[in-house]
Amino acid sequence: LAKTTQPISMDSYEGQEVNITCSHNNIATNDYITWYQQFPSQGPRFIIQGYKTKVTNEVASLFIPADRKSSTLSLPRVSLSDTAVYYCLLFSGGYNKLIFGAGTRLAVHP
Amino acid sequence: GAVVSQHPSRVICKSGTSVKIECRSLDFQATTMFWYRQFPKQSLMLMATSNEGSKATYEQGVEKDKFLINHASLTLSTLTVTSAHPEDSSFYICSARGRDSSTKETQYFGPGTRLLVL
Repeated sequence: LAKTTQPISMDSYEGQEVNITCSHNNIATNDYITWYQQFPSQGPRFIIQGYKTKVTNEVASLFIPADRKSSTLSLPRVSLSDTAVYYCLLFSGGYNKLIFGAGTRLAVHP
Repeated sequence: GAVVSQHPSRVICKSGTSVKIECRSLDFQATTMFWYRQFPKQSLMLMATSNEGSKATYEQGVEKDKFLINHASLTLSTLTVTSAHPEDSSFYICSARGRDSSTKETQYFGPGTRLLVL
C-alpha cells in the first residue's frame, strides 16, 4: 500500500509554475521524500529528493515543512514537455521497497 | 544522475517461449535491484526485490517459477519470463539502488522493456 497521497490529476499552462502537494502523514524518521517523473512507455526519471526544509536543483524545488507530513514539488515555468505522471514516494534506503501510488497526471496546455 | 539500462527495449515472442530481460547499472554498484511491471494507464507494480548473490524476494501473487530473477553481480540483474502467455504482455521496468557520484543513496529506473506475447 502506497504511503503517500497525491492529487490524481492537474492542469496547467505553459510558462506557469506548478505545485504538486503530497501527503505522507506516517512518514518515518529515516524516510526521504523522493519525486519521479514518468512519460508514456518510459521508466520513471528521478527528479529530486529531500529530507527537510527546501531542496532545489536545475529542474525543480522541493518544499518540506517542519513536521514532514507533506511536501510540495514545484516546477517553475512548465512547458508542454512537462506533461507526465509525477510520483511522490518515501525512500529510506537499505531494503526498503518503493511502492508506487497512482501518481499525479499533469497536463500542460498551450 | 546514475544510469540504468535495460535490454531489449521491446520484444515480441510466441506463447510458450521464454524471454530474458537484462538490467544493468552503468555507473554505480547496485546494492539492491527491483523489478516492476506496468500495465497501460496503471501505476508500477513491484514484482520482486533482489540482492547480489542471494535469492530474490517476490511480492505476493507473483509466481517465482514463472518470473526467474538472477542477480549475478552488483551491476547486472536478469528477469526471465518463462513459458510466456499473452497475459504476461506488459511493460517491465527494472530499478537499481545505490550511491552515485554524489554519494547519496537513491533509486534509479531503467527505460523499460515492452513485452508482447502472441
